[in-house]
Amino acid sequence: RKEVEQDPGPFNVPEGATVAFNCTYSNSASQSFFWYRQDCRKEPKLLMSVYSSGNEDGRFTAQLNRASQYISLLIRDSKLSDSATYLCVVNNAGSYQLTFGKGTKLSVIP
Amino acid sequence: SAVISQKPSRDICQRGTSLTIQCQVDSQVTMMFWYRQQPGQSLTLIATANQGSEATYESGFVIDKFPISRPNLTFSTLTVSNMSPEDSSIYLCSVGVVKGGDGDTQYFGPGTRLTVL
Repeated sequence: RKEVEQDPGPFNVPEGATVAFNCTYSNSASQSFFWYRQDCRKEPKLLMSVYSSGNEDGRFTAQLNRASQYISLLIRDSKLSDSATYLCVVNNAGSYQLTFGKGTKLSVIP
Repeated sequence: SAVISQKPSRDICQRGTSLTIQCQVDSQVTMMFWYRQQPGQSLTLIATANQGSEATYESGFVIDKFPISRPNLTFSTLTVSNMSPEDSSIYLCSVGVVKGGDGDTQYFGPGTRLTVL
């Protein structure tokens, strides 16, 4: 079983739509969770951390379910500029090492 | 967040040669890492660059193939040695940042796009 699994997509959604991405992780000792965004031919950039209580940043909402080892990202009112690959990232307790999912590709179409 | 630069941004190399990639950070950081991202794949950690000691390599990566230097807290190099076409990839450096209650995360340099012919 892969350490971090994501649906690769692509997700093709119209502008203004709401889209949700899911991610599962296999290591129950995982401590910190993040969503990164990677544009084509660019480096990954931190989008947001994921807290146990869930957190929101503008149109983006991230949730964590430790019991199910499941992380989600919800994007509301999609913009064309949201088109990118979204990487689910997990870090283990006491370690700086990050484990990356393969990413979910989102295309927002006019 | 730290500002990270990498040189070169891209290169095309002949098989059997070596390329050294530089990573420069605008502030002192404890943790620096080197990743590889092959076409259509996610990031794979090559090694942790330790200041003042040998790098710590992940399974499948060895020092002879990917020697790493970390002479100070703002700079590191990764060399891809005796290259083959299979080494064609994007190589990224990152720095570890402690975000307090958010947990530890990393910021990435812009990457070096390597093509081996």
